[in-house]
Amino acid sequence: AQSVTQLDSQVPVFEEAPVELRCNYSSSVSVYLFWYVQYPNQGLQLLLKYLSGSTLVKGINGFEAEFNKSQTSFHLRKPSVHISDTAEYFCASPPRGSQGNLIFGKGTKLSVKP
Amino acid sequence: ETGVTQTPRHLVMGMTNKKSLKCEQHLGHNAMYWYKQSAKKPLELMFVYSLEERVENNSVPSRFSPECPNSSHLFLHLHTLQPEDSALYLCASSSHAGTNEKLFFGSGTQLSVL
Repeated sequence: AQSVTQLDSQVPVFEEAPVELRCNYSSSVSVYLFWYVQYPNQGLQLLLKYLSGSTLVKGINGFEAEFNKSQTSFHLRKPSVHISDTAEYFCASPPRGSQGNLIFGKGTKLSVKP
Repeated sequence: ETGVTQTPRHLVMGMTNKKSLKCEQHLGHNAMYWYKQSAKKPLELMFVYSLEERVENNSVPSRFSPECPNSSHLFLHLHTLQPEDSALYLCASSSHAGTNEKLFFGSGTQLSVL
């Protein structure tokens, strides 16, 4: 079974609307959780990460995510998106006992329309 | 610019060719990685190097051969590839090969195997 699940492959939204990109994780991964973003024709960049402490994590570009242990989720949110947020977003977590590995979700393509 | 440079950006090769992908990082990191990004599949970790030693190899076919001559350079040597090996190959680096380390990605090499 996939250890990191992104339920939506594509999310279209209008500019200035709020957005939530969903991510669920399984017990086969650690509770270190990451969101990466990939803009067209570029590599991935880290948006934010949860390692411990406060369950609400703020990242770059106005994004935030909330770690919810009871729902095994780490959804990414932004209250008002811009055209420039159009990209693919990946949730990731390392498997337990791994050194340097990350299990990535399949990605969610966010399309922001004017 | 993430500080991780990959060349070439695009590569087309036949099944009998031998080619190499190059990655260079200017961040002073100790760990480097090769990931494969195929359409409609999650990113797959191929190899992890820590201080020039391979620490993880995720059951990658022998037609892919990594080389890490020093902590700043990483190569992926390719020979007798198959069409299903066509993908975006991403190099990444991090300070150390730990599970909570931020990864810095290059822009990737788009490989097409004919």
